[in-house]
Amino acid sequence: GESVGLHLPTLSVQEGDNSIINCAYSNSASDYFIWYKQESGKGPQFIIDIRSNMDKRQGQRVTVLLNKTVKHLSLQIAATQPGDSAVYFCAENIGQREYGNKLVFGAGTILRVKS
Amino acid sequence: NAGVTQTPKFRVLKTGQSMTLLCAQDMNHEYMYWYRQDPGMGLRLIHYSVGEGTTAKGEVPDGYNVSRLKKQNFLLGLESAAPSQTSVYFCASSYALRTGELFFGEGSRLTVL
Repeated sequence: GESVGLHLPTLSVQEGDNSIINCAYSNSASDYFIWYKQESGKGPQFIIDIRSNMDKRQGQRVTVLLNKTVKHLSLQIAATQPGDSAVYFCAENIGQREYGNKLVFGAGTILRVKS
Repeated sequence: NAGVTQTPKFRVLKTGQSMTLLCAQDMNHEYMYWYRQDPGMGLRLIHYSVGEGTTAKGEVPDGYNVSRLKKQNFLLGLESAAPSQTSVYFCASSYALRTGELFFGEGSRLTVL
């Protein structure tokens, strides 16, 4: 089946630096990707999404880049803060029209911010 | 506005026992989902619902049943719990089709001995 995965299981960055979290996907027909943040003991929280007709999308301090040629997407966090410490998941929406949203999640990357 | 609320938050069961996890959302969302999260495996979809009275199987439905009798509630049942069902369970809801923005509850940690 199709899968979404991550290159680096743990990323440690210094407070104030930029963070880049990577994700690879295998289905070249995938057209919609989402990033989630999960803090310890909490449920995942939506960060940003991107559709395949875009290469880049920006939010508040976050940017998602999509490279369809190599089936890779990344989440960039600017000026990383201690509150950014969490597990980050990329997910692919494989939902069909009559089935709502079916997200396939990657295993996650732990982001640790050093003060 | 509570969002998505799951009960109970923690539960310990013996093998063979049954239980029901309750999910309630107050956002009038049409779509609801149950995921399980295991270490190193991300979240996997168990069952989902695209509206009141409808349910469908996800990736890992075996050993679970669900019901959506009311729009705001989505119940996940384990008829005969097994140790392999030890996990953290998350309920989520969404307002639209083909949006990746799901609203998750805080999770229910289930241990089956």
